[in-house]
Amino acid sequence: DAGVTQSPTHLIKTRGQQVTLRCSPKSGHDTVSWYQQALGQGPQFIFQYYEEEERQRGNFPDRFSGHQFPNYSSELNVNALLLGDSALYLCASRRSVGEQYFGPGTRLTVT
Amino acid sequence: KNEVEQSPQNLTAQEGEFITINCSYSVGISALHWLQQHPGGGIVSLFMLSSGKKKHGRLIATINIQEKHSSLHITASHPRDSAVYICAGLKTSYDKVIFGPGTSLSVIP
Repeated sequence: DAGVTQSPTHLIKTRGQQVTLRCSPKSGHDTVSWYQQALGQGPQFIFQYYEEEERQRGNFPDRFSGHQFPNYSSELNVNALLLGDSALYLCASRRSVGEQYFGPGTRLTVT
Repeated sequence: KNEVEQSPQNLTAQEGEFITINCSYSVGISALHWLQQHPGGGIVSLFMLSSGKKKHGRLIATINIQEKHSSLHITASHPRDSAVYICAGLKTSYDKVIFGPGTSLSVIP
């Protein structure tokens, strides 16, 4: 079992562009959460997906959107990138009730 | 008051020392994660606890539900243990994970 995987590992974009980050959950997990971690800060909850629907959302603007596919994998999309969107984006998965496992993250740099 | 608090904020230890990191949490949190993050790296889940004690190698985690307190212990610490250790509470009613501020551990050879 590969655990939670994310792609790409690193990404550089310019302001105004759009980006898509991908997450494959651990086998058997159906719930995926996304977090943003700015340098030197703790992770901030973006949103959570379950059964292909956004179930919860943190305090992030509509520029941040997501999707969950029937195989439980998920995408995070960010439109109109700002410099402040530079961060490590973490995906975490779990079963409906259970321990949350984190992926290695995608390091996004916006220039 | 933060829902999940940790102490100390920073910790420097000599190789081989026994290390304890503490976490206290508020009402409504039903389980705790202990997480490890190396500089520039992703987050690794060490333990999830809702009661009692768990051990994995040199790491031990305990939780006292009545006191709403958890500890992470590292025995025979090693420089590779240098990382940020994060306590995160699972708030069942809202199905949310609340992260503590983290403890930055540096183990010196």
